[in-house]
Amino acid sequence: GPKVLQIPSHQIIDMGQMVTLNCDPVSNHLYFYWYKQILGQQMEFLVNFYNGKVMEKSKLFKDQFSVERPDGSYFTLKIQPTALEDSAVYFCASSSRRDTLYFGAGTRLSVL
Amino acid sequence: GQQVQQSPASLVLQEGENAELQCNFSSTATQLQWFYQSPGGSLVSLLSNPSGTKHTGRLTSTTVTKERRSSLHISSSQTTDSGTYLCAIDIYTGKLTFGDGTVLTVKP
Repeated sequence: GPKVLQIPSHQIIDMGQMVTLNCDPVSNHLYFYWYKQILGQQMEFLVNFYNGKVMEKSKLFKDQFSVERPDGSYFTLKIQPTALEDSAVYFCASSSRRDTLYFGAGTRLSVL
Repeated sequence: GQQVQQSPASLVLQEGENAELQCNFSSTATQLQWFYQSPGGSLVSLLSNPSGTKHTGRLTSTTVTKERRSSLHISSSQTTDSGTYLCAIDIYTGKLTFGDGTVLTVKP
């Protein structure tokens, strides 16, 4: 089936530094999403993105977070600066028409 | 209250037994997906089934939209089926809301 690739699978970073999580969505998809899952907790929606713009963001999407997809390449989530509570697994997803979402395997972010 | 409720919270089976997982949701869902999350954390989409019955391999999902419930049946369970099964719905928002999951353990 369609594949969403996330790079890297694990990232370790010092608190206060910037981190960029990369997502290679399914090639013809138009809608993109980021979800966050803290260890042992529920998967939660962060943000969705369409046509170069953020459509909706949750309370978890702090001011330190930003998303973009420059020139149709990777869909990225940038956190600047990082905080300890940002440690989680971040999942990227994409869909063609807001129907079935295809998820990547996740990037585990460890903020020290 | 929680929009997506899954039951049971955990389930232990012997290899070869069948599993029946339930998902109840509080609003009419325009989209419903079942996911498998491995013990390592990676997420795999199993089925997209907003209504009716769908089959893939040993998996069968039945969603009764009017009754706001969906089930996932796993036949002839294998030890490799062990992990967390997540139900997620979309209610006209363009984003998925996840349940807490059912942790399945299949013993050899």
